[in-house]
Amino acid sequence: KAGVTQTPRYLIKTRGQQVTLSCSPISGHRSVSWYQQTPGQGLQFLFEYFSETQRNKGNFPGRFSGRQFSNSRSEMNVSTLELGDSALYLCASSQRDPGGTGELFFGEGSRLTVL
Amino acid sequence: QKEVEQDPGPLSVPEGAIVSLNCTYSNSAFQYFMWYRQYSRKGPELLMYTYSSGNKEDGRFTAQVDKSSKYISLFIRDSQPSDSATYLCAMTREGYQKVTFGIGTKLQVIP
Repeated sequence: KAGVTQTPRYLIKTRGQQVTLSCSPISGHRSVSWYQQTPGQGLQFLFEYFSETQRNKGNFPGRFSGRQFSNSRSEMNVSTLELGDSALYLCASSQRDPGGTGELFFGEGSRLTVL
Repeated sequence: QKEVEQDPGPLSVPEGAIVSLNCTYSNSAFQYFMWYRQYSRKGPELLMYTYSSGNKEDGRFTAQVDKSSKYISLFIRDSQPSDSATYLCAMTREGYQKVTFGIGTKLQVIP
């Protein structure tokens, strides 16, 4: 069974640009969550999608957005990039129905560097 | 104050040692407790999963949850160089989509 796939793995952008990251969950998983990981803050929750609906959102500015498609694949977008957006962006999928239990399966992440 | 506190280390131990990793938390609503292992340049992988208080053992790994003290632990017996990684505690509430992570403890097992 294929794991969670994230693309691209590495990317470099400049301030003010925007970026789109993609995530393909494990087959059969309908929930997709996104996390930002930095050395100082650890993993910070961005948002979670289930059946194309955003169910929960973390404390990030509106520049961070996401969506989920009917095949459960998900994308997240960061507009007007800032230096502080440099991080590892992790996607996790889960079989979780509403009322889930937190067993997340992570991809290898997309490492974003903003210059 | 963070909801979940974890010492970032680094923690360096000789091969064969028993390793103890810990987290404290403040939200008494947390019911599900997990430990993830993350190797360098990889995503976290689930190691142990526990519901409410108690112990759970899986091979060389033992997870303990003490909800009365809001304290969770992961013990690694007979540690191996391949255990060198960052260990993240994580927890969530019943029916809640957001999982809250500790910052992670970096462990190095010296041969």
